[in-house]
Amino acid sequence: EAGVTQFPSHSVIEKGQTVTLRCDPISGHDNLYWYRRVMGKEIKFLLHFVKESKQDESGMPNNRFLAERTGGTYSTLKVQPAELEDSGVYFCASSTGSRSSYNEQFFGPGTRLTVL
Amino acid sequence: LAKTTQPISMDSYEGQEVNITCSHNNIATNDYITWYQQFPSQGPRFIIQGYKTKVTNEVASLFIPADRKSRTLSLPRVSLSDTAVYYCLVGDIGPFYNQGGKLIFGQGTELSVKP
Repeated sequence: EAGVTQFPSHSVIEKGQTVTLRCDPISGHDNLYWYRRVMGKEIKFLLHFVKESKQDESGMPNNRFLAERTGGTYSTLKVQPAELEDSGVYFCASSTGSRSSYNEQFFGPGTRLTVL
Repeated sequence: LAKTTQPISMDSYEGQEVNITCSHNNIATNDYITWYQQFPSQGPRFIIQGYKTKVTNEVASLFIPADRKSRTLSLPRVSLSDTAVYYCLVGDIGPFYNQGGKLIFGQGTELSVKP
């Protein structure tokens, strides 16, 4: 079974540019989460989708960040315009959504974003 | 959900048992204790989850006392490949979660296993 995949693995852009990160969750997982770690800080929650609906976007830092999940499958996270403080690693995770044994979240490898 | 307190780093040698303890003073009735492991350049990976007493799987054991204010992750006979950051998470993130299941990470414990 394929795991959570993220694209690109690395992205280097200049301040003011736009970047779009993509996450493909494990097939059949209704829950999709975005997290990020900025340099020297802890991993922080950004938002949570249940299928195509935003369940919780309390962690989104500001309106420069826009997340979508079309058709309840893959998700994109767009940063427009990017600022220096947006640099960090962006993780995507998915879980089944059923009342499973552990409610385990499966994480992707992350996208490392560098804003110059 | 709230952050937990755990040691920033630990050193060990191959073959030893490693115990990582984290504390949390205000655990709620619906809260579960979950541990994740993260290797460099990878996302976190679920290790084990429990509510009370002892839970064991093929990777680790989790010990939770009756008052549930602390919990210990036990890694038996560690190897070099167990070098990673270990996160203790406490919250309504168990099998019957009602809060969406978002994870709140602390700083984690950086475990270094030496030959």
